[in-house]
Amino acid sequence: EADIYQTPRYLVIGTGKKITLECSQTMGHDKMYWYQQDPGMELHLIHYSYGVNSTEKGDLSSESTVSRIRTEHFPLTLESARPSHTSQYLCASSDLVSIEQFFGPGTRLTVL
Amino acid sequence: KNEVEQSPQNLTAQEGEFITINCSYSVGISALHWLQQHPGGGIVSLFMLSSGKKKHGRLIATINIQEKHSSLHITASHPRDSAVYICAVLTTDSWGKLQFGAGTQVVVTP
Repeated sequence: EADIYQTPRYLVIGTGKKITLECSQTMGHDKMYWYQQDPGMELHLIHYSYGVNSTEKGDLSSESTVSRIRTEHFPLTLESARPSHTSQYLCASSDLVSIEQFFGPGTRLTVL
Repeated sequence: KNEVEQSPQNLTAQEGEFITINCSYSVGISALHWLQQHPGGGIVSLFMLSSGKKKHGRLIATINIQEKHSSLHITASHPRDSAVYICAVLTTDSWGKLQFGAGTQVVVTP
């Protein structure tokens, strides 16, 4: 079973607030990913990292930012939340040799 | 147009029936993932394959690289198989990035 954790699982917040979604993995994986998924729609990659101090933007433009100061930790931050940010955010990781990705349980964000 | 197409979009089966979900892709790939997403949102990796066939319990996944097509079969389906099944491909022009299909919603009734 994959050891990748996301907190919070659910978040309801008002417009303009700053939020950080946490993602941690205990598998020592170098590669980590953030995906955004609207209800009934496919996942879209918004950020990824190949290792510490490496961050790249994904295929879907996002106002969020990420950091990778430690291998196991890949937090995502929204400086000023808006209703358009309402979505599910999924974190995943994989190692450099195996390309299989392991997913966290997701954070369901609602911005009022 | 999505480069990864799944069919059907929705599927309802009675318990015990054999289920097939199809995935076609239009890009060069190095591997294909089948994922399962339950109503709570969490995603579980079912298979990763680049050729041939894999089996795990009642689940079978096949891939035909020449035809750019993969199928996921569920034998003797059970209500706990109800979930969204997602096909994702690892394209040859990316490095560890997946492209996802829209998913197939499967409902298995008792």
